[in-house]
Amino acid sequence: QKEVEQDPGPLSVPEGAIVSLNCTYSNSAFQYFMWYRQYSRKGPELLMYTYSSGNKEDGRFTAQVDKSSKYISLFIRDSQPSDSATYLCAMTRYEGKSTFGDGTTLTVKP
Amino acid sequence: DGGITQSPKYLFRKEGQNVTLSCEQNLNHDAMYWYRQDPGQGLRLIYYSQIVNDFQKGDIAEGYSVSREKKESFPLTVTSAQKNPTAFYLCASSRGESGANVLTFGAGSRLTVL
Repeated sequence: QKEVEQDPGPLSVPEGAIVSLNCTYSNSAFQYFMWYRQYSRKGPELLMYTYSSGNKEDGRFTAQVDKSSKYISLFIRDSQPSDSATYLCAMTRYEGKSTFGDGTTLTVKP
Repeated sequence: DGGITQSPKYLFRKEGQNVTLSCEQNLNHDAMYWYRQDPGQGLRLIYYSQIVNDFQKGDIAEGYSVSREKKESFPLTVTSAQKNPTAFYLCASSRGESGANVLTFGAGSRLTVL
């Protein structure tokens, strides 16, 4: 069983839709929760990261962590065609080693 | 601008050949990493280094080798012992501190075995 499971997708939505991307994890040692965005044929780039349970907002993006359920989500409001990419969740233990989900590919259609 | 440079962007290899992928960073980061990405799969850690002249195996190190002679450089050699080397290879770096350890990635190198 993988330590991190990510909703596989692919996901296709119309422009302006609210998008929900989700991951679950099994290891309670994970302390930091990241979301990376990867455009086609490029390296991933960090979108945001959180430490505690709750919500963290950055513009149209909201990261949500529920440690009691071992569940994290990324919400994208007013989605744009430029948001079309693969989104990777990642989690790190205290010593800093990261474990990635398999990614969800999102297409936002104009 | 600070960042990570990977080269070459595309590489073709015949079976039985070793190839070396270059990774250079000017972020003054202590830690460097090599990941492999296959279609529909997440990133799998090949090797990582937290300090010059020291490196550790990741989850899929068999058939790969690395060196860390300089802080800025962390080349990866894909040897003929790697049975399925066709993949997208990503180099990353971080401050190497405990905690969030945010990774900065290069643009990747795509290796195809003919």
